[in-house]
Amino acid sequence: GQQLNQSPQSMFIQEGEDVSMNCTSSSIFNTWLWYKQDPGEGPVLLIALYKAGELTSNGRLTAQFGITRKDSFLNISASIPSDVGIYFCVGGGGATNKLIFGTGTLLAVQP
Amino acid sequence: EAQVTQNPRYLITVTGKKLTVTCSQNMNHEYMSWYRQDPGLGLRQIYYSMNVEVTDKGDVPEGYKVSRKEKRNFPLILESPSPNQTSLYFCASSPLAGSDTQYFGPGTRLTVL
Repeated sequence: GQQLNQSPQSMFIQEGEDVSMNCTSSSIFNTWLWYKQDPGEGPVLLIALYKAGELTSNGRLTAQFGITRKDSFLNISASIPSDVGIYFCVGGGGATNKLIFGTGTLLAVQP
Repeated sequence: EAQVTQNPRYLITVTGKKLTVTCSQNMNHEYMSWYRQDPGLGLRQIYYSMNVEVTDKGDVPEGYKVSRKEKRNFPLILESPSPNQTSLYFCASSPLAGSDTQYFGPGTRLTVL
């Protein structure tokens, strides 16, 4: 089935650093979402993007919907230890109208 | 509290022994779905249900069954589990199909020996 390429696979950073991750696809999506999975929990929605070129912020998080509708990025500024987890990009509203999950970015933050 | 619950949270079983993982949501959501999460592969959809008595295959349905007799429950059935079904399983629900806000359960870690 469809799959999204997410990078990097993992990041190990110091507290206070900024983080950037992105997602690309060969397919067009009408919605891009970013979910976070805390250790031992299910994913939780962080940001939803609905329009090509849209830039949306949620606190220290900023995400953009790529102009081509085939990519998205997520930035986290001034990281803190509770940012630890796996971040998933998700494409929605594509040909199958299902949510397609990226492979995930594991983020570790050293205090 | 609005939530999706799954049971059990952890299960170790042997090849061929039928098992059921239950999923229940209290938000009156129409859409429910099962995913499995494997390292390096993200979440892959197993089965989904648009409403009561309506179920359909996702991307990796082989070896699984589901049923949706009531709106709130969506059990995942493994008739004859095999070691390649060792994985972390998530149930999710949303108000409608294709909705961006899917609410995920806490996960069930299954090991098949």
